[in-house]
Amino acid sequence: QLQLQESGPGLVKPSETLSLTCTFSGGSISSTSHYWGWTRQPPGKGLEWIATIYYSGNTYYNASLKSRVTISVDTSKNQFSLKLSSVTAADTAVYYCARHGVRGDYGKIDHWGQGTLVTVSS
Amino acid sequence: SSELTQDPAVSVALGQTVRITCQGDSLRSYYASWYQQRPGQAPVLVLYDKNNRPSGIPDRFSGSSSGDTASLTITGAQAEDEADYYCNSRDSSANVLFGGGTKLTVL
Repeated sequence: QLQLQESGPGLVKPSETLSLTCTFSGGSISSTSHYWGWTRQPPGKGLEWIATIYYSGNTYYNASLKSRVTISVDTSKNQFSLKLSSVTAADTAVYYCARHGVRGDYGKIDHWGQGTLVTVSS
Repeated sequence: SSELTQDPAVSVALGQTVRITCQGDSLRSYYASWYQQRPGQAPVLVLYDKNNRPSGIPDRFSGSSSGDTASLTITGAQAEDEADYYCNSRDSSANVLFGGGTKLTVL
């Protein structure tokens, strides 16, 4: 059974860096048929794509967040990670890791993690 | 522009048919996917590639697309279909786009 699981601190102080890891089980993150990504959802609001990465390291970022975001992959651990720097209260959200398709199906997200709430507060 | 537009809220009587739409320039080139999100839960893929359903999704969910608009139709809406629905797609720059979401109320 395919599963994605987010892990990381639930509370981050303003101006610090948010760091999350997603562990994929039930398959290989080195699949040539998928990208891996992060999407977030502020409380009571809609979904916002953050970034995606291919197992080879090819990355794509939301332009509005690009200056603060780094996505990386560790194929040996079947994991990928997100770092978001200089966080503010506006970055408080549920962060989801997810599996995307490729090429024309790149937008399609067929598996999601359960999500992890990250609160930015002092 | 790289945006997807959805109506914020739609309602349907139990057992009736409802259509939820998603509009955006990217849909002229790329298919939409649709997600159902119940309160406190992660989104779940319900439709992709215009009218394909993942395993386990009831066949009352169907999709269509024309020009810059994609649609999700629920034929014979059930109480458990009450949820938020999001469309998404990609654009030519490999950005992932989400619509703002539609809150579906089943009356």
